[in-house]
Order: sequence, then C-alpha cells, then structure tokens
Amino acid sequence: SQTIHQWPATLVQPVGSPLSLECTVEGTSNPNLYWYRQAAGRGLQLLFYSVGIGQISSEVPQNLSASRPQDRQFILSSKKLLLSDSGFYLCAWRGTAEQYFGPGTRLTVT
Amino acid sequence: AQKVTQAQTEISVVEKEDVTLDCVYETRDTTYYLFWYKQPPSGELVFLIRRNSFDEQNEISGRYSWNFQKSTSSFNFTITASQVVDSAVYFCALSEEATDSWGKFQFGAGTQVVVTP
Repeated sequence: SQTIHQWPATLVQPVGSPLSLECTVEGTSNPNLYWYRQAAGRGLQLLFYSVGIGQISSEVPQNLSASRPQDRQFILSSKKLLLSDSGFYLCAWRGTAEQYFGPGTRLTVT
Repeated sequence: AQKVTQAQTEISVVEKEDVTLDCVYETRDTTYYLFWYKQPPSGELVFLIRRNSFDEQNEISGRYSWNFQKSTSSFNFTITASQVVDSAVYFCALSEEATDSWGKFQFGAGTQVVVTP
C-alpha cells in the first residue's frame, strides 16, 4: 500500500534562516506530487506541483522553492524565511483522481 | 474567482443530531471530480469520497451520505447521528480534468463542525 511521509513534524525557525521540508512517497511510481500551505484560518493554498523528476510548477510567487530530485521525493525550500511563511505545510500525491495527504509539518517562524 | 464555495464557516450540533455541509462549485468543464476531506485536530487531511461528473448517484457510507446534484452544482455532505469524533474541519474540492490534466484541486474554505456531548 502507499504511504506518504513528511518531516520534520514541527519546526521553529528564526526569520532569515533557511528551510528544507521533505516529503517521500512509498508504494507508487511516478506520482504527481503537491505542496500546500495552510495558514491559520483553514484555507489550503497550492504552492507547487510536480509531474516528474525535475519538473516543478509554481502556483504563486513567493519566498519558497521546490525540487524533485528523485521519483518519490519532493522537497520544499527557502533561502531566507519570512514571518509570513509560518503555517502548516502539507504534501500530497495523486491517486486515481483523489489526493492523499501526508501528516504535515507545522512551521513557526519567529 | 472562487470555484468551490462552502458558505458555512462553522456548524455546532449536539451529539446524535444530523448535520449537513453545503458545497457549491463552479466549472465549465464537462469532466470533473468532486471530493470531500476531513481534517481532524491532528491536521492530516483524510480523503472521504470522490465523485465524477458523470455519476450523480448519491452515496452512503455508514453515517456519511453525499448528495450530488449537477442541476444546482452542489455536492452536499450529511453526517447522520453525529458523534464527538466527527468534530473536524471538512473541505470540499474540485478537480477539472478537461482543462487541467495535472489534477490540481480547487478547495473550498472549509466548514468547522463542532459536536458537543
């Protein structure tokens, strides 16, 4: 069966520090992968999606970037965090049409 | 433009009451999918149901039921005999397969359901 992992689970980082969040999927090949951010207040914002190794599409201009170095690995990064980057970051992979989400990373930028 | 509207921000019920969550969507595609997800306090989004645009059959799964009506562009979700464990934020989402083959979702803003004993 398929499993999706994210780490770390929680992170507290100072403004201006770098960021690297990792997402890995098991049990499937060449999945479409997605990064979402959920700020306080519930709304889910799609940040990036990837349909294959090295193929990244950005949905919104921002302080973040994404990479897909391996088939089942999706990384979200930043060179310098802003206060507004705080939030709950969710990675997802696409099944038949639905998306399956990881447990998320709660990021607090101080 | 918002393509998925969940007009109810929060619904509070007492245990064993039924609760219906509204979802109205907007699309010009003839081929699309609709979804419901549950987000409990732990944060992880749990997939509940997928419905494609060609299947208007209502569905029941235990205490959950879904009513899909293309004529009114609605995909409503009912929890029968609610329980405290149903307390969560529920999201409706749309995927437009014809215009977006990458499977991107349009999420609604979510509805917080609070079930008190």
